[in-house]
Amino acid sequence: RKEVEQDPGPFNVPEGATVAFNCTYSNSASQSFFWYRQDCRKEPKLLMSVYSSGNEDGRFTAQLNRASQYISLLIRDSKLSDSATYLCVVSRSNDYKLSFGAGTTVTVRA
Amino acid sequence: GAVVSQHPSWVICKSGTSVKIECRSLDFQATTMFWYRQFPKQSLMLMATSNEGSKATYEQGVEKDKFLINHASLTLSTLTVTSAHPEDSSFYICSAPLGIETQYFGPGTRLLVL
Repeated sequence: RKEVEQDPGPFNVPEGATVAFNCTYSNSASQSFFWYRQDCRKEPKLLMSVYSSGNEDGRFTAQLNRASQYISLLIRDSKLSDSATYLCVVSRSNDYKLSFGAGTTVTVRA
Repeated sequence: GAVVSQHPSWVICKSGTSVKIECRSLDFQATTMFWYRQFPKQSLMLMATSNEGSKATYEQGVEKDKFLINHASLTLSTLTVTSAHPEDSSFYICSAPLGIETQYFGPGTRLLVL
């Protein structure tokens, strides 16, 4: 079983729409959680960290459910520039190692 | 600006040759760096942890004799793919952590082995 699993999508949405997707992680000892964004042929870039209380950064809202071991990302008022692959990332311990999901592809159309 | 650089950004080589990829942290020291590999439409997979001044630690299934890692200074780690074969063609990315929640990724190196 993969450590981090995501729905690969793609999610094709019109501009202005809301899109949401989840990921699940298998290791209950995981301590830190992130959403990264990866554009085609580029390195991943941190979008936001995810906290148990949930957190929001502009149009992006992330939630963590430790009991069910899933993480969600919601994008409101989608922009064309939001088109990318979103990577769910989990860190097991304090050794800085990251485990990546395969990514969820989002395409926002005009 | 970039805080982690990688060189080269892409390389094409013949099967059997060795390829060296450099990862540099800019403006900060990194005693630990990570090397990842990403195949098309797949997740980044951690290959190894590069430790300054000591041996690298490799993830299960990664051949240490094939992927040589050297972390000779606090700002430079190198990954050498020895005797590269077409199945080694991939996107190689390094990263350097600056705390638990801050990890900087290099721009990646795209390797194509013919």
